[in-house]
This record gives sequence, C-alpha cells and structure tokens, in this order.
Amino acid sequence: NAGVMQNPRHLVRRRGQEARLRCSPMKGHSHVYWYRQLPEEGLKFMVYLQKENIIDESGMPKERFSAEFPKEGPSILRIQQVVRGDSAAYFCASIRDSSYNEQFFGPGTRLTVL
Amino acid sequence: KQEVTQIPAALSVPEGENLVLNCSFTDSAIYNLQWFRQDPGKGLTSLLLIQSSQREQTSGRLNASLDKSSGRSTLYIAASQPGDSATYLCAGSNTGKLIFGQGTTLQVKP
Repeated sequence: NAGVMQNPRHLVRRRGQEARLRCSPMKGHSHVYWYRQLPEEGLKFMVYLQKENIIDESGMPKERFSAEFPKEGPSILRIQQVVRGDSAAYFCASIRDSSYNEQFFGPGTRLTVL
Repeated sequence: KQEVTQIPAALSVPEGENLVLNCSFTDSAIYNLQWFRQDPGKGLTSLLLIQSSQREQTSGRLNASLDKSSGRSTLYIAASQPGDSATYLCAGSNTGKLIFGQGTTLQVKP
C-alpha cells in the first residue's frame, strides 16, 4: 500500500528552464494539495486539485506556475522560466475525499535553481 | 485569516522527560488540526489529526489536545527518546488547505 509518491526527489535547473514536479496520491485518494517550503520558512499552501479540476489556487504565484491533475496519471506542478527564488522543497499531500481531511504527505521534491 | 504560531521554536531535553509543545491559532472556526513530524531533509509524517468535534487524540506516547475557545492545541510526548528528535509542525484547517506554524525543533539528548 504505497504512500504518496513524488518524483523526482531532487531536481536541478538553470535559470530560465522549466521544472516539472510529479505527485501520485495514495491509492483511493482523489484530491491533491501542493505546498512549498522555502529555505528558513514554513510550509505554504499553493494549490488544491481534484481530478480534472482546480478547486483552490489562491496560493499560486500569478505567473510562471501552473498545476494540473488529469483523469489519468499524476498531478503535475509546472514552473516555467525558473528563477533562483524558486529553489525550495515542494510537497504534495493527498486526501481520500473532502469529507475526511487528514492529509498524507509525499517525501517532497527539492528544486535547486542554479 | 488563520494564523498559526508555535512556541518554543526549539527545545532540548534529556531522554526520559515528558514534554509539551504548544500551538496557537487565531481563528476559532478551525475545522481540524493536524500534528506532523519532519526529519531534516525529509517529508512530513502525520502524527495525529483532531477534528473540530474532538478534544484530543492519542497514539502511543503522543497525546494531542484541541481547545477551540482558547485557540490552542498541545502535543504531549511522554518518556521522550533520542529518536523523537525532529521538527514538529502543527497545522490548522478552516477550508481544507493547511495553515502551518513555523515548527518546534526538538532535540532529545541521550
């Protein structure tokens, strides 16, 4: 019974490149949250998705960031034209459904922008 | 707007001590509160979830309480062990998304 899976675990990009972070929720879970942990800062909410639907993207930066959760396959957080300030740990969490909100986190993707 | 604060920021205790970690939140309309453990460079492990209708939850040596009226939650760790050394995060939820505190970094010395 695999937990939440994220890949890659570590990602290095040069400024201006694109970063794609993947999250596969726990089996039976259909909702995904993305959070970002900047160095020396706490975890901040970014976006909440259900399959094929963005529920809440109030924490997403207005530019360069996008997220999707297709009917088949993992959720993807995409960062276009990365800058050094995007260097952080990105975590996703999944829940079974909106009626029971215990969130289970993946191991995170640590993005380093050179 | 929900804000979550944790004190102390760091705590060092000798092995075997019982200890309490504190978490306070500003909006009493909290839906649930979740405690996590984070080891350096790792992800978050869910320890306990307290839903709004509950007052406390227990798992092994851990006990978490929730007092919505005072805006506080505590995590009690009994008979601490060196393996308990980690950062402990509390997070509250009003609408689903979690609002995290800054964490308490615990060191348990052998």
